[in-house]
Amino acid sequence: QQQVKQSPQSLIVQKGGISIINCAYENTAFDYFPWYQQFPGKGPALLIAIRPDVSEKKEGRFTISFNKSAKQFSLHIMDSQPGDSATYFCAASPHPGGTSYGKLTFGQGTILTVHP
Amino acid sequence: NAGVTQTPKFQVLKTGQSMTLQCAQDMNHNSMYWYRQDPGMGLRLIYYSASEGTTDKGEVPNGYNVSRLNKREFSLRLESAAPSQTSVYFCASITGGANTEAFFGQGTRLTVV
Repeated sequence: QQQVKQSPQSLIVQKGGISIINCAYENTAFDYFPWYQQFPGKGPALLIAIRPDVSEKKEGRFTISFNKSAKQFSLHIMDSQPGDSATYFCAASPHPGGTSYGKLTFGQGTILTVHP
Repeated sequence: NAGVTQTPKFQVLKTGQSMTLQCAQDMNHNSMYWYRQDPGMGLRLIYYSASEGTTDKGEVPNGYNVSRLNKREFSLRLESAAPSQTSVYFCASITGGANTEAFFGQGTRLTVV
């Protein structure tokens, strides 16, 4: 049972373009939505995260957009660079309290390739 | 600043062999997790330990066992390896609090032939 659905599975953009990765969730108990970046041969690392009390969060060239009513959130990478080429995972975690607290559920991942 | 250390990095097993993947963290986190990563499947939770002395099944626990040896160490055991367990395995140490962050090890690439 996949509670967080991510698309597309792979994405190719040109240098300087905008990369957009989308995620949708079903569980209304999710309260925290991070994105992880993974380079080949490495473990994933936290990139940026958002809570549902805001609709957008920006950190440098990376922006999360959040639509609570649609239960969707997306990652936008502006001015994409070849160094951004990596696998990106969205994730979701329940709100504090309960046995699932702190347990991250990941999407399927998106392989991003940025051509020079 | 070791963070999360996994051993071994690579392993080839024959079907039916057993092995234990080791994981240790030095961040004093209570929670530790084991994931497997397969193409197109993302990261799937095998087992997790919310605190020392407790373990719980995740999404894909069959064929695996775990031991939370102490607060630092969380091991994953394959009792009788199968080709379907060929995967990349990641251990993660999880912060407490409202903004959960997972710190991952470098992974173990396991091939079962």
